[in-house]
Amino acid sequence: GDSVTQMEGPVTLSEEAFLTINCTYTATGYPSLFWYVQYPGEGLQLLLKATKADDKGSNKGFEATYRKETTSFHLEKGSVQVSDSAVYFCALTWAGSYQLTFGKGTKLSVIP
Amino acid sequence: DGGITQSPKYLFRKEGQNVTLSCEQNLNHDAMYWYRQDPGQGLRLIYYSQIVNDFQKGDIAEGYSVSREKKESFPLTVTSAQKNPTAFYLCASSSPPGRQQNYGYTFGSGTRLTVV
Repeated sequence: GDSVTQMEGPVTLSEEAFLTINCTYTATGYPSLFWYVQYPGEGLQLLLKATKADDKGSNKGFEATYRKETTSFHLEKGSVQVSDSAVYFCALTWAGSYQLTFGKGTKLSVIP
Repeated sequence: DGGITQSPKYLFRKEGQNVTLSCEQNLNHDAMYWYRQDPGQGLRLIYYSQIVNDFQKGDIAEGYSVSREKKESFPLTVTSAQKNPTAFYLCASSSPPGRQQNYGYTFGSGTRLTVV
């Protein structure tokens, strides 16, 4: 079946450092891909998404490109802030499907 | 503003008691979902409902029950049969997935259940 693998955390960075959180998936065809963010004690919020190969999703300085050849959707940000400290989830689904498949999440801590 | 409301945010119950978690949405979404979140295990699907009066089991439905009598509401009951109920519970909703793309979920802010 489908699966999503994220890099293990926690990840600790200094403010203004470059962020990469790796996400790879196992699925046949062309799923839709998502990144969600969960701040402490809260639910998940959609951060960005991409629905076809080579699409780039972007929001709040975060970017991720749908790479079909490497089945990846890595999350990047050029300069992180303390307020970016959260857990980040990669997920996939299919057109016509009700279910999302989530990765296990990567906790990011940004220190001043 | 439209959104999903989960209540209460924190809930404490004694072992052996049933407890019901509330989830209400005003987004006019047809589909609703319940997930359980445990440290280091990501999100696991408990139940989901595509339309009123219909619901399906997810990956970990044992010890839980749901109802969907109204489009806006999808309450989850954690029964005494659930062996390890202490967790963070998340409700979500979505529009029906289109044939060309899926729009993803909108989540509530969660309920943390502690059974003592």
